[in-house]
Amino acid sequence: RKEVEQDPGPFNVPEGATVAFNCTYSNSASQSFFWYRQDCRKEPKLLMSVYSSGNEDGRFTAQLNRASQYISLLIRDSKLSDSATYLCVVIEGPWGFQKLVFGTGTRLLVSP
Amino acid sequence: NAGVTQTPKFQVLKTGQSMTLQCAQDMNHNSMYWYRQDPGMGLRLIYYSASEGTTDKGEVPNGYNVSRLNKREFSLRLESAAPSQTSVYFCASSEWAGEGSETQYFGPGTRLLVL
Repeated sequence: RKEVEQDPGPFNVPEGATVAFNCTYSNSASQSFFWYRQDCRKEPKLLMSVYSSGNEDGRFTAQLNRASQYISLLIRDSKLSDSATYLCVVIEGPWGFQKLVFGTGTRLLVSP
Repeated sequence: NAGVTQTPKFQVLKTGQSMTLQCAQDMNHNSMYWYRQDPGMGLRLIYYSASEGTTDKGEVPNGYNVSRLNKREFSLRLESAAPSQTSVYFCASSEWAGEGSETQYFGPGTRLLVL
């Protein structure tokens, strides 16, 4: 089983739609969780952190469910510019040697 | 600030050739990382350097060596390239490989083809 699993998609949605992605992780000791965004043929960039209480940043909402070991990303009012691959990331390891473990990504295509 | 820079952007090698991928960051970060990204596999950590003077293996270190030349620079060397090393290579840096490591800043990547 992969450490971090995501549905590869693509998710095809019209502008203005609401779309949600889930990601499951296998290591119950994982400490921190994030969503990164990667545009085609570009480098990944941090989108947002995922806190236990859930957090929101504009049109983006991230949730964490430790009991079921999954995190989610909700995008409201999708824009064309949201088209990208969204990478689920967990941090593992002791302080000083922590490493990011990446999912394979979920591809989102927003159409006019 | 340029952030994280990588050279070259593209490279074609023949099996058995060697090459070094260069990475530099100007953010005064302590920790640096090398990843490879393959279709359907996600990013996988090759090597990392938690701080200047230290390096550690990641998930897929075989066939690679690294050098943390100084705080700014972290190079990745392929001694004898193999077709299985065809990939996109990303260098990244973060303030520390601990608190703050979640914000890793990536370079633009090196696309490597080994024939």
